[in-house]
Amino acid sequence: QQQVKQSPQSLIVQKGGISIINCAYENTAFDYFPWYQQFPGKGPALLIAIRPDVSEKKEGRFTISFNKSAKQFSLHIMDSQPGDSATYFCAASSGTASKLTFGTGTRLQVTL
Amino acid sequence: NAGVTQTPKFQVLKTGQSMTLQCAQDMNHEYMSWYRQDPGMGLRLIHYSVGAGITDQGEVPNGYNVSRSTTEDFPLRLLSAAPSQTSVYFCASSYRTVANTEAFFGQGTRLTVV
Repeated sequence: QQQVKQSPQSLIVQKGGISIINCAYENTAFDYFPWYQQFPGKGPALLIAIRPDVSEKKEGRFTISFNKSAKQFSLHIMDSQPGDSATYFCAASSGTASKLTFGTGTRLQVTL
Repeated sequence: NAGVTQTPKFQVLKTGQSMTLQCAQDMNHEYMSWYRQDPGMGLRLIHYSVGAGITDQGEVPNGYNVSRSTTEDFPLRLLSAAPSQTSVYFCASSYRTVANTEAFFGQGTRLTVV
């Protein structure tokens, strides 16, 4: 039972373009929605997170858009760079980060 | 500042062998968790702990045991390894407070069961 659905599975974007990754959740008790970035051979690292009391959060080139009624949230990476090439995971939890439910991941490749 | 440290980084086991994956954190976090990462399936929660002496099951607990005798350490035990447990295992820790919920992950242990 997949509670957080993530798409696309893989994404190729040209340098300077916008990368968009989408997630949908089912459990209405979720109230914390982080995005993690993972490089090969490394553990996931928190990129940006949002709570459902706001519809958008921006940190540098990274923006989360959140639609509570549709139970969807997305990550936008503006001006994508080759260094952004990594696997991105959306996640959700209720309350704290001790019990995260992850999406299946998106492998992003940013080409020159 | 070490953060979350996992050992070993790589391990090959034969079916039926037992082993313990070690996880230690030096951030005084109350919460610690174990996840496994498999291709196309993201990370799935195995067990978690909200404090010393308190553990609970996650989504995929079968075949794994945990204990938490100290705030710093949260070992994961495989009692009788099976090929289905071939995976990359990640330990994570986080604060208890809602306002500070970032989970910090270790570098992972790549386990192969043959």
